[in-house]
Parts: sequence; C-alpha cells; structure tokens
Amino acid sequence: DQQVKQNSPSLSVQEGRISILNCDYTNSMFDYFLWYKKYPAEGPTFLISISSIKDKNEDGRFTVFLNKSAKHLSLHIVPSQPGDSAVYFCAASINRLTGGGNKLTFGTGTQLKVEL
Amino acid sequence: ETGVTQSPTHLIKTRGQQVTLRCSSQSGHNTVSWYQQALGQGPQFIFQYYREEENGRGNFPPRFSGLQFPNYSSELNVNALELDDSALYLCASSLTRSNTEAFFGQGTRLTVV
Repeated sequence: DQQVKQNSPSLSVQEGRISILNCDYTNSMFDYFLWYKKYPAEGPTFLISISSIKDKNEDGRFTVFLNKSAKHLSLHIVPSQPGDSAVYFCAASINRLTGGGNKLTFGTGTQLKVEL
Repeated sequence: ETGVTQSPTHLIKTRGQQVTLRCSSQSGHNTVSWYQQALGQGPQFIFQYYREEENGRGNFPPRFSGLQFPNYSSELNVNALELDDSALYLCASSLTRSNTEAFFGQGTRLTVV
C-alpha cells in the first residue's frame, strides 16, 4: 500500500523555467511533509518541509504547497537551474511532536532534468 | 562537524549469510533511523533508535535487527539474507526523535547473490 505517491517518474524542464513536482498521499494522519533531493551515489538531502497546519512554505527558489483537502502537495522550483537535476523524493511523517517526526514514509521519487 | 557516515559503501553477500552495516551519526544527534531503498523505489523505514532503545519499527521481519551505542552510532544486522534484501541501505540521524530534518549518509549498497 503506497501511502505517498509520486506519479511522475521523470520531468524535464528548461533552465530558467519553473519546475513543478507533485506528490499525493492517502493517510490523513500525516502531519508533516518534506522534500528531499538525491544525487547519484549520495544520500538524500533535506530540501524543504511543511507542517499540516500551513498551506505554503517558501525558501529561496523552493516553495512547497499543501492542499490537505486534496491530500496533495507540490514543490515549485523557480528558476530551475542545471544543478537542480536530481531525484526528488516527497516524504511524510505522523506525530512529529511526539517522536514520530523522522519515521518517514517516502514516495518513489521524480527524476528532474533541467536542460540548458 | 562531521556528517553521517556509513560503512562499508558496497558489499556482496551470499544468500543465507548474515551482514552488519554500520553508521556514525552526526555529532550531537541522538536518533538514528535505517531505511532500505530497493531499485526504482523510495526509501522504506526499517526502524529507529533513540538513546539506545528501539523507537519504532516498519514492516520488516525480525531477521532485521539493530543496535545503538552510547556514542549514538548504530548497526543494522540482517540474518539469513535473501535475494530481495539486495538494496541501498540508508542511515539517517536527527537531533532528537521529534526533529524531522533527518541527515542521511551516502548508504551501503548490499548485493545478495
């Protein structure tokens, strides 16, 4: 049972344009959501997160949007740069404040390619 | 400040054997989680250790076991290896068990033949 789903295995965008990566979840108990970026031969690197009490969080070129009613979140990267080319994982957790915070449920990832 | 380091980076084992993977957590972090990432999949939570005690377990059989030491480093042990255990094993440490920003190591690539 895939509780966190990333339905697009790959995405290709041009440098300078917006990249939009999508993620859907099924478990309404999730209360914290994160995006991780992974380069080949490296571990995932934390990118940005959002609590379920918010609908938007912004950090520089990265913005995460959360639509709780639709159980959907998205990551926007503006402008996209070639160095952003990586696999992006959406992740979620339950009961962050009571110790569940970093027991993460991951999606299958989206390979982003930013072309010159 | 050193990051999360895992050893070895690659390992080949035979079906039925046992394996131990090691992880040194980031300085000051008391919580370590282990994940298994099969090819083409996202990481799957195996278990978490907080101050040397298991603090939650994913849907993995008992032949997956772990330890956390007083310095908060950790081991993942897998007994009776099966071909499907071939995967990238990731260790992640965090400041506390409620802190969601987990820092991952580069992983150990285990191949079972």
